Amino acid sequence: QKEVEQNSGPLSVPEGAIASLNCTYSDRVSQSFFWYRQYSGKSPELIMSIYSNGDKEDGRFTAQLNKASQYVSLLIRDSQPSDSATYLCAVKSRNNNDMRFGAGTRLTVKP
Amino acid sequence: SQTIHQWPATLVQPVGSPLSLECTVEGTSNPNLYWYRQAAGRGLQLLFYSVGIGQISSEVPQNLSASRPQDRQFILSSKKLLLSDSGFYLCAWSVQENSPLHFGNGTRLTVT
Repeated sequence: QKEVEQNSGPLSVPEGAIASLNCTYSDRVSQSFFWYRQYSGKSPELIMSIYSNGDKEDGRFTAQLNKASQYVSLLIRDSQPSDSATYLCAVKSRNNNDMRFGAGTRLTVKP
Repeated sequence: SQTIHQWPATLVQPVGSPLSLECTVEGTSNPNLYWYRQAAGRGLQLLFYSVGIGQISSEVPQNLSASRPQDRQFILSSKKLLLSDSGFYLCAWSVQENSPLHFGNGTRLTVT
């Protein structure tokens, strides 16, 4: 069983719509959760961090965490063509210093 | 502010040749350091991480090795490259146990 799972996509949404990206994880002692954006050929850049259950908003981005369901999501409101990228979900365990990544979801925002 | 330097940006090496990729971090002390590899169209695979000088944790058995000779320096090496070693190699750092990782610009390695 994969430790961090994401739908590979591709996910296509029209400009201005809400993009919803989902992620599940298997390690129940996971403590820290992150969303990264990766443009083609570039390194990942951090978008959001979330550590406790509930929603966390930052501009057009909202991260949602449900530890009981081992589920974390990212909502992108008013999607823009510049949001077209691969979004990586990442999880850090309480017991380790390593970070595990999902395979990523490719998002395309069509003008 | 903290910065991470990773070089070279691209590298083409023949099968069987050695490899040395270097990563350095500025502006912080005793960071956690990481090496990841990303194959074309795939996710990030954790190769090594280090919590201190000389402390290396290996995640995947392979022909690669890592060393941390100084607090803010992390080196990825191989004695003999394989075709399957081709990929995008990323160095990253973090400060605390629960803090996010910050990535360098990566090295794109092609083994021919």
